[in-house]
Amino acid sequence: DAKTTQPPSMDCAEGRAANLPCNHSTISGNEYVYWYRQIHSQGPQYIIHGLKNNETNEMASLIITEDRKSSTLILPHATLRDTAVYYCIDSRGSGGSNYKLTFGKGTLLTVNP
Amino acid sequence: DSGVTQTPKHLITATGQRVTLRCSPRSGDLSVYWYQQSLDQGLQFLIQYYNGEERAKGNILERFSAQQFPDLHSELNLSSLELGDSALYFCASSLSTGRDIHFKQYFGPGTRLTVT
Repeated sequence: DAKTTQPPSMDCAEGRAANLPCNHSTISGNEYVYWYRQIHSQGPQYIIHGLKNNETNEMASLIITEDRKSSTLILPHATLRDTAVYYCIDSRGSGGSNYKLTFGKGTLLTVNP
Repeated sequence: DSGVTQTPKHLITATGQRVTLRCSPRSGDLSVYWYQQSLDQGLQFLIQYYNGEERAKGNILERFSAQQFPDLHSELNLSSLELGDSALYFCASSLSTGRDIHFKQYFGPGTRLTVT
């Protein structure tokens, strides 16, 4: 499976933007980049996904470089409730029916008051 | 609330025993996935079902099995339990149309299994 690389941890001040980087240098042309987060021992939560263009939703923005080798998840105004492990995942389906998510170790984002 | 429900929330059992974990997907979702999260292995995919049929297997042990019923709920059966099976078990579901949508999965709150 293609792998992603993320820093193990990051800190952010409450109210500031949190920028979480991810390298996915082996991603292929038809693979999407997905971001999930897991707040302590809760089920992972989908945040956003993209293919080539930048994306924005009510939770976050996703900036994908033109060569698609890396991306940045942006939480525009981080709150204490955004403290979580953030996972960057590239979609690797096989045979059109295997849509498993392959989680790495993610980035532990700690939002400080 | 993701719309995915899992029961029970907690389960404590002894080695050698058998347990069944239950998952109800979001209304309309045909795909169900099971994941295991342990301290040393992280989140790992176990198995996927789509509309009652097994579609993909991950590193699922032979002692583990699953099924998806006509009403689309799913059960994960764990037998001959060992201490190392202690983990959080998550169920997720997704819509069935569009390739990228399959990876947009909604996770349940999980079942915490403790084997003593």
